[in-house]
Amino acid sequence: SQQGEEDPQALSIQEGENATMNCSYKTSINNLQWYRQNSGRGLVHLILIRSNEREKHSGRLRVTLDTSKKSSSLLITASRAADTASYFCATARVNTDKLIFGTGTRLQVFP
Amino acid sequence: NAGVTQTPKFQVLKTGQSMTLQCAQDMNHNSMYWYRQDPGMGLRLIYYSASEGTTDKGEVPNGYNVSRLNKREFSLRLESAAPSQTSVYFCASSETGSKNTIYFGEGSWLTVV
Repeated sequence: SQQGEEDPQALSIQEGENATMNCSYKTSINNLQWYRQNSGRGLVHLILIRSNEREKHSGRLRVTLDTSKKSSSLLITASRAADTASYFCATARVNTDKLIFGTGTRLQVFP
Repeated sequence: NAGVTQTPKFQVLKTGQSMTLQCAQDMNHNSMYWYRQDPGMGLRLIYYSASEGTTDKGEVPNGYNVSRLNKREFSLRLESAAPSQTSVYFCASSETGSKNTIYFGEGSWLTVV
């Protein structure tokens, strides 16, 4: 089944550093979304980038989308300890509404 | 505004027992989803409902049934629970399918012994 694959699986950085996570997918998509999950909680939407967009910003988040390579990246700038969480990308194949998630990147930000 | 509400939060079942996970949303969303999340894995789609009265299988539908009771409610039923169904279950909703932000409930922790 189509699924986003995040890379790396785990990432540890110091506060103030930037964190970059990547997502690859298999087929043409309508959009790609990034979600965050704090331990023991539900997922929270971060950003949605449409297939005709190449870059999108939201606060300290920057998302890029390369449809030719079927990949996306999420950059968190000036990370904080509160950014510690798992981050997931999610995609839906064109003409479907089934949003399929990747396995996620676990980000640990040390104070 | 409660968003997406799931019940129960925690449940322990014996193998072979049945149970229903309830989900309701108060955002007037058309689409609703059930996912499961196992340790170290992402979310896997069990069933999806594009609108009231419609349901569709996801990636891992075996062993589950769903009911879209009305626009607000989407329940997930385990007819005969198995240890392999031990997982965290998330209900979610969106205005219209995957073109919009999906809002998640807080999860239901299910253990089958």
